[in-house]
Amino acid sequence: GIQVEQSPPDLILQEGANSTLRCNFSDSVNNLQWFHQNPWGQLINLFYIPSGTKQNGRLSATTVATERYSLLYISSSQTTDSGVYFCAVPTGNQFYFGTGTSLTVIP
Amino acid sequence: DTAVSQTPKYLVTQMGNDKSIKCEQNLGHDTMYWYKQDSKKFLKIMFSYNNKELIINETVPNRFSPKSPDKAHLNLHINSLELGDSAVYFCASSPYVSSWGRTDTQYFGPGTRLTVL
Repeated sequence: GIQVEQSPPDLILQEGANSTLRCNFSDSVNNLQWFHQNPWGQLINLFYIPSGTKQNGRLSATTVATERYSLLYISSSQTTDSGVYFCAVPTGNQFYFGTGTSLTVIP
Repeated sequence: DTAVSQTPKYLVTQMGNDKSIKCEQNLGHDTMYWYKQDSKKFLKIMFSYNNKELIINETVPNRFSPKSPDKAHLNLHINSLELGDSAVYFCASSPYVSSWGRTDTQYFGPGTRLTVL
């Protein structure tokens, strides 16, 4: 099956800092999604981004499908950004999640 | 007002028992999903239903069976529970899926933490 790798696995930021999370996938995909799981366990869909760039407030995402990666940018991080960020790709009849990046934003 | 709801939120049971987790969405979505998240936070899709038709069936044990009485509900039944079934189970829904690889935004329920003793 497709391999989905995320980096870094863990990240600690000072409030106000910027960060970039990366998602690499091993095969062609025509869909990619980014999710945030907050410290209380709630999963929230951030972006549906098979290609190109999208922005939503302080967050933006870019997927370069031909090079098999996607990036999630977080600018001016806030403590509420803490949690685990997952990318996920459906392919065939499977749906694969990456192992996540655990982000901690300290005040 | 909750978009995707699950009950119960916590479920503690003995090995060998049969249990069910209920999921309901009031968004009018066509597709619903069940995910399992293990202790290492790894998420894996288990099932999805589109208009009462199973369109994904991951390699999960047949002790797990989804039941969809209508488009707004997708319940998960688990027979003969095992220790390894302990996890958090998430229900989700999305408005549209045309064919695999083109799913729309998914909305998740709050999760059900299952503990098997």
